[in-house]
Amino acid sequence: DAGITQSPRHKVTETGTPVTLRCHQTENHRYMYWYRQDPGHGLRLIHYSYGVKDTDKGEVSDGYSVSRSKTEDFLLTLESATSSQTSVYFCAIRTAGDEKLFFGSGTQLSVL
Amino acid sequence: GQQLNQSPQSMFIQEGEDVSMNCTSSSIFNTWLWYKQDPGEGPVLLIALYKAGELTSNGRLTAQFGITRKDSFLNISASIPSDVGIYFCAGQLNNAGNMLTFGGGTRLMVKP
Repeated sequence: DAGITQSPRHKVTETGTPVTLRCHQTENHRYMYWYRQDPGHGLRLIHYSYGVKDTDKGEVSDGYSVSRSKTEDFLLTLESATSSQTSVYFCAIRTAGDEKLFFGSGTQLSVL
Repeated sequence: GQQLNQSPQSMFIQEGEDVSMNCTSSSIFNTWLWYKQDPGEGPVLLIALYKAGELTSNGRLTAQFGITRKDSFLNISASIPSDVGIYFCAGQLNNAGNMLTFGGGTRLMVKP
């Protein structure tokens, strides 16, 4: 258990509404990541953070924004959700100097 | 897009059988990681490999870092029903900082 909590675990929302997913960690890791997992595409990086207020884009960042105002929390926001953003979202953490990623349990998001 | 080819995409196992899967790429990797994902959960790290030729075991699981640094292999000996799930390889490219590239996964299922 890497001390990662994702919330909510499940969410159903409508197209055009804003959605925020939360990732909370208890072990003070510097690096945090947001991935989405879709059939046929595997895990794809959305955004990541390398410190408080330090974030950068990943492979599939369009339509998503992130914020990290505290070490322990990394928020993923869909400003105006679309059906193509229906997916399972995973948060991950990494310790500086180590390549190993540890994942949370995921958030299943359905955009209708 | 994905730079890791993972095979097979799916396979059926019978209890007691040995299982093999692999990841290949045209690119050189510095690190290989193997994960297992159960339904409704996030990927869990099984084995990490850091040097070409390295062979590492975790119980009945054995993984190898290919000599060419372009591939990795995972073997499961004497499979049991709880081995079912999706296995992912992930690699850190030689020139990608600490970013990981994920394979598409191998789905292990039980023979009816």
